[in-house]
Amino acid sequence: GEDVEQSLFLSVREGDSSVINCTYTDSSSTYLYWYKQEPGAGLQLLTYIFSNMDMKQDQRLTVLLNKKDKHLSLRIADTQTGDSAIYFCAERTSGTYKYIFGTGTRLKVLA
Amino acid sequence: DADVTQTPRNRITKTGKRIMLECSQTKGHDRMYWYRQDPGLGLQLIYYSFDVKDINKGEISDGYSVSRQAQAKFSLSLESAIPNQTALYFCATSDTGTGVADTQYFGPGTRLTVL
Repeated sequence: GEDVEQSLFLSVREGDSSVINCTYTDSSSTYLYWYKQEPGAGLQLLTYIFSNMDMKQDQRLTVLLNKKDKHLSLRIADTQTGDSAIYFCAERTSGTYKYIFGTGTRLKVLA
Repeated sequence: DADVTQTPRNRITKTGKRIMLECSQTKGHDRMYWYRQDPGLGLQLIYYSFDVKDINKGEISDGYSVSRQAQAKFSLSLESAIPNQTALYFCATSDTGTGVADTQYFGPGTRLTVL
């Protein structure tokens, strides 16, 4: 069945780049999303990418998509302490409402 | 003001009690969703509603019911709460009319503890 997998934890030093990885199984996935969840808050959409794209950049965020390997990554440049949060990868097939979420990666930024 | 609000934000209740979680949105979206989040797991869909008269079960609807009182309001009820329903509950909305990825917007969550 459909599945989205992420590693549970990532720790980086302030100022370094963070790379959060995600793999998915549904080859018909059309949209892939990254959400950020800060403590005590809901999920905030960071960015999304269409499956016909390889890369999308938005300020400090870079999303890379490898369709062949069904691998998605989120790179955060110049990571700051305010980036500490849980990051969720999610996928959705066009024409459907259904999101499949990963388990979330907890990013800890060390000062 | 937040676009998607949930009340209460925290609730502690006892086994067997009926409890209602409420969600309101000012985004004007047609679609609303209830999710459950457990530690170390992704979000699981409980119920979803595409409009006031269209309500559907999600992956884990057993033990839950919903009511879409208006376009802007979608409530989740636990008829007889049990401890394994202790979790973080999120409401979300989306608008397919945007044509942009049917993006879901989430409320801040309700932390429910069932003793």
